[in-house]
Parts: sequence; structure tokens; C-alpha cells
Amino acid sequence: KQEVTQIPAALSVPEGENLVLNCSFTDSAIYNLQWFRQDPGKGLTSLLLIQSSQREQTSGRLNASLDKSSGRSTLYIAASQPGDSATYLCAGGYAGNMLTFGGGTRLMVKP
Amino acid sequence: DTEVTQTPKHLVMGMTNKKSLKCEQHMGHRAMYWYKQKAKKPPELMFVYSYEKLSINESVPSRFSPECPNSSLLNLHLHALQPEDSALYLCASSQPDYLTYNEQFFGPGTRLTVL
Repeated sequence: KQEVTQIPAALSVPEGENLVLNCSFTDSAIYNLQWFRQDPGKGLTSLLLIQSSQREQTSGRLNASLDKSSGRSTLYIAASQPGDSATYLCAGGYAGNMLTFGGGTRLMVKP
Repeated sequence: DTEVTQTPKHLVMGMTNKKSLKCEQHMGHRAMYWYKQKAKKPPELMFVYSYEKLSINESVPSRFSPECPNSSLLNLHLHALQPEDSALYLCASSQPDYLTYNEQFFGPGTRLTVL
């Protein structure tokens, strides 16, 4: 069974810090790894999608990496801001268009 | 247009009511999905339609009845729900693929409260 785990479950940092969110997956037959942001009570906003043939993707202050061999992905957020406060979900894309979600990391950036 | 729309945004219903959730996309996708998300939990897959045919039903109770009347539209009919069915219901769409994975695009969700 495919499992995706995110550590930590919650994280609180002061504004301006650089931070790393971790995601691990058990099934290396992954086609891509996607990072989402979710604000309370809202839908999912796709942040970055890394294909299995790629090592990393960047968008603004966000950088996501993927290491299939170790079953890990990280989301790096540079110079965090209070507006970055949200839940961040990683999800592995598998054959048959199946998306397996991690439990999420709830991020609080304090002014 | 890379948007998936869902209506209504919020829905409050009693346990004896019948209501429907609607999802629409105009990206030409032929796979559409319903997910259920409880508070502080990740989304859970409920149903998948591929080429307008139900391809996956994740053992969802029959009080949830999906319908895909055409390639752009997906409905979720609700009847005799329980308070524990209160959740955020998310719709997504993608191109179908049985061998690999094509990116799913998510709608904003419908917040359902069952009284």
C-alpha cells in the first residue's frame, strides 16, 4: 500500500526564517510529487509539481526537491512571511491517476 | 481555462433533505473525482469517473450518489446524510491514464454541514 508521511505535523516559526517541510513515501513507483497549500476551510492550491525524472522545481520563494531512491521530498520556503501560514500537503502521483496524500504540516509564521 | 468550479460554496442540510453538489470543468478532461476532507485530515478519494463511466467507488455509503451527465459536469447527490458526513467536498479533474499519472486540478470545494 502506498503511504505518504509528513513531518512535522505542525510548525511555528518567526517571520523571516527559512524553513523545510518534509515528505516521505513508501512506494518508489511514483510518477510525480505534488505540493499543495490549503488555507483553513478552503480548497487545495497547487504549489509545485515535480516529475519523477526531475530533482527539483522552483517557484518564487519555494523550492521543492524529489529523491526517489530515498523516498523523500522537501519543500523549502525562503524568508517566511505571516501570509505563508497554512497547511501544506504533499501528494504522490501513481499509476492510474491515483494521488496519495500525506497528513499535512500546519505552518504558523509569527510576525 | 484551468479552472474547476464547484457550487454551492456552502451547504447546510438536515438529515432528511436531498441536495446535490455540482462540479464543472472546461479543460477537456475526461476523468473527474470526488474527494471528502474532514477537518485536519488529508482528502480521501470517494469516486472516480473516467470517460463518463464510474471507474472507482471507494466503498462509499449509498447515501452518496455520483453522476456524470457529460464530460464537463460531475454531480454528487446527497440523501439521508448523517452529521458525521459534514466535511469539505472537493472535486478534481484530469486526463485519464491507467498507466501513469496526469496532474489533477482541484476545485475550491463545498463546505457541507449536516444538522
